[in-house]
Amino acid sequence: DAKTTQPPSMDCAEGRAANLPCNHSTISGNEYVYWYRQIHSQGPQYIIHGLKNNETNEMASLIITEDRKSSTLILPHATLRDTAVYYCIVRAGNNAGNMLTFGGGTRLMVKP
Amino acid sequence: DVKVTQSSRYLVKRTGEKVFLECVQDMDHENMFWYRQDPGLGLRLIYFSYDVKMKEKGDIPEGYSVSREKKERFSLILESASTSQTSMYLCASSFPSWGETQYFGPGTRLLVL
Repeated sequence: DAKTTQPPSMDCAEGRAANLPCNHSTISGNEYVYWYRQIHSQGPQYIIHGLKNNETNEMASLIITEDRKSSTLILPHATLRDTAVYYCIVRAGNNAGNMLTFGGGTRLMVKP
Repeated sequence: DVKVTQSSRYLVKRTGEKVFLECVQDMDHENMFWYRQDPGLGLRLIYFSYDVKMKEKGDIPEGYSVSREKKERFSLILESASTSQTSMYLCASSFPSWGETQYFGPGTRLLVL
C-alpha cells in the first residue's frame, strides 16, 4: 500500500469548513483513498473513500486531484464533536481481508 | 448502519488469567479482524477471519487465539494474560469486495496488572 503524508495537526473554527490534506504521490492505479477518524478512546470511524472521482456522503466530501497524488477531506460545517485524529489511507482495491495501516494522521481541533 | 459491538469497554485482569474479548457484528460480513492499538505503534493486526471456523494470523498472533463459531461473532482469547498485553483492542468487520471498507467497534481498553 502507498505511503501517505498528512500535517500532524490543524485547527478549525466551529461552523467553518475543515479541509484536511493528504499527499499520496506513489499511489498506483488500483489503490483507493480512504479516510477514517478516531475520537479519543474510541474505535476508528469510517468516513469516506474514493478511487478517482470526487465523493460526497452525509459526513464529508473527498476531493481527489486529477493525477491522484493528493486528496482533501472536507467537513463542510465542523462542530466540536469533529475534534479527532483523521487518518488518510491508501489501499489496493483488491486488498480485501487484509489489515489497515494507519499512519500518524492529522489531529483536528475544532474551536468555539 | 453497520454495528460492531464489543463485550466490554474497559477490563482489568491479573497476570496469568485467561481473558475473552467478544465482538459481534450485525451486517452479515464475512471478514472480521482483531487489532491492538498502542501509542506510537499504530494499529497492529492480531488475527482475522474470512469465514466461519476460518482464521489467519496477522502480524502479532503470539499469546492470542481466536474463535469464530458463528458468522456474526469473533472472539479473541488471551491464553495467559501478561502486562505486555495491556492495550486497546479493536474489532472490525467488512464485506469482501473491491474497495472493501472495514468498520470498527468501540474498542476494549484492557489493563493487565
